[in-house]
Amino acid sequence: EPEVTQTPSHQVTQMGQEVILRCVPISNHLYFYWYRQILGQKVEFLVSFYNNEISEKSEIFDDRFSVERPDGSNFTLKIRSTKLEDSAMYFCASSPTGDTEAFFGQGTRLTVV
Amino acid sequence: AQTVTQSQPEMSVQEAETVTLSCTYDTSESNYYLFWYKQPPSRQMILVIRQEAYKQQNATENRFSVNFQKAAKSFSLKISDSQLGDTAMYFCAFMNIRSFQKLVFGTGTRLLVSP
Repeated sequence: EPEVTQTPSHQVTQMGQEVILRCVPISNHLYFYWYRQILGQKVEFLVSFYNNEISEKSEIFDDRFSVERPDGSNFTLKIRSTKLEDSAMYFCASSPTGDTEAFFGQGTRLTVV
Repeated sequence: AQTVTQSQPEMSVQEAETVTLSCTYDTSESNYYLFWYKQPPSRQMILVIRQEAYKQQNATENRFSVNFQKAAKSFSLKISDSQLGDTAMYFCAFMNIRSFQKLVFGTGTRLLVSP
């Protein structure tokens, strides 16, 4: 069964550094998303991406964040100048169309020290 | 803006029993989807069941079923014949179809199934 794959599973970075979280969505899906879950809290929407551009973004997705689909298969989330409060589980998700459920990856745990 | 409320932070149930998790939501939209996602200790988000707002029939998926009350904006999840593997966080989520499929999640209910 096709699945969304995220790498790495755990990333530790120093405050102020840049990190790139990688995702391989399901191959025939057209909509891509990043969500964040701070430990013990609810899952929060960060950004949606369709047709090679951002469709919608939340207040969390400030100018330190960016997304890219560089090669037609990968979907990346870049965070510049990381802060301690960026520490969270980051989930990538994809959907075949804009009106069906999202399939989530297993998440990347980001720890900023 | 849509909001999703899960008023039960934790629930416990014994194996083979039935448990119902509550969810309410607030929206002015008429066309939307509702979902229940399961997050086991591995923390992966797994879709359990979905309900289209235009459908009156409640969705069912094996041991999982929902009670969707559109007028009351209520969407509860019933788990029958609970199994130890059902132990997880359960998140209710709302999707406005016009919003490029952004999911709005509730705060979750931690379900513990004991032998």
